[in-house]
Amino acid sequence: KNQVEQSPQSLIILEGKNCTLQCNYTVSPFSNLRWYKQDTGRGPVSLTIMTFSENTKSNGRYTATLDADTKQSSLHITASQLSDSASYICVVRPPDNNDMRFGAGTRLTVKP
Amino acid sequence: EAGVVQSPRYKIIEKKQPVAFWCNPISGHNTLYWYRQNLGQGPELLIRYENEEAVDDSQLPKDRFSAERLKGVDSTLKIQPAELGDSAVYLCASSFPGQRDTQYFGPGTRLTVL
Repeated sequence: KNQVEQSPQSLIILEGKNCTLQCNYTVSPFSNLRWYKQDTGRGPVSLTIMTFSENTKSNGRYTATLDADTKQSSLHITASQLSDSASYICVVRPPDNNDMRFGAGTRLTVKP
Repeated sequence: EAGVVQSPRYKIIEKKQPVAFWCNPISGHNTLYWYRQNLGQGPELLIRYENEEAVDDSQLPKDRFSAERLKGVDSTLKIQPAELGDSAVYLCASSFPGQRDTQYFGPGTRLTVL
């Protein structure tokens, strides 16, 4: 069973609308949780990173939240743009500098 | 500053053929990673190098996969012979030593095995 589960698997929204992507993880404890954006045909690019003691982090129109008690994180995208169409991957790093655990990603499509 | 460079970007081969992917990390990044990303999935680590030493290759299918980083800079990942199930995107990433949670990814090589 994957240690990082994301939902929904895919999502279609209209340009200008907001959306929220979910990430549930079982990695515990953990060092940090990161959200990546992966455009089609490109490598993942980091959007936000949070340690276990942080509960929110913003990067422009992207806001990530973290609830370490429920082991859930969300990525909220405000006023979506066509360029937001991409896969969004949740990644959790265990402690002791072990390798990252990747979720399967949510495929977001923003339509005009 | 140039990012992580990978080539080729796309490769189509028939099963049982060999294939190789090349990666040049960001200058100064001593740590290099090869990942495999299947369609609709997150990346899975295949191997991690610290300089020229492979420090974690536990997920590398050693019967057909091999990798090298002879001078501790660029790296090559090889599959021989390729199987249908090897069709995936192969991502290379790099980071500074001790900063493994800040990895920079290349664009990947999309492999299709027919």
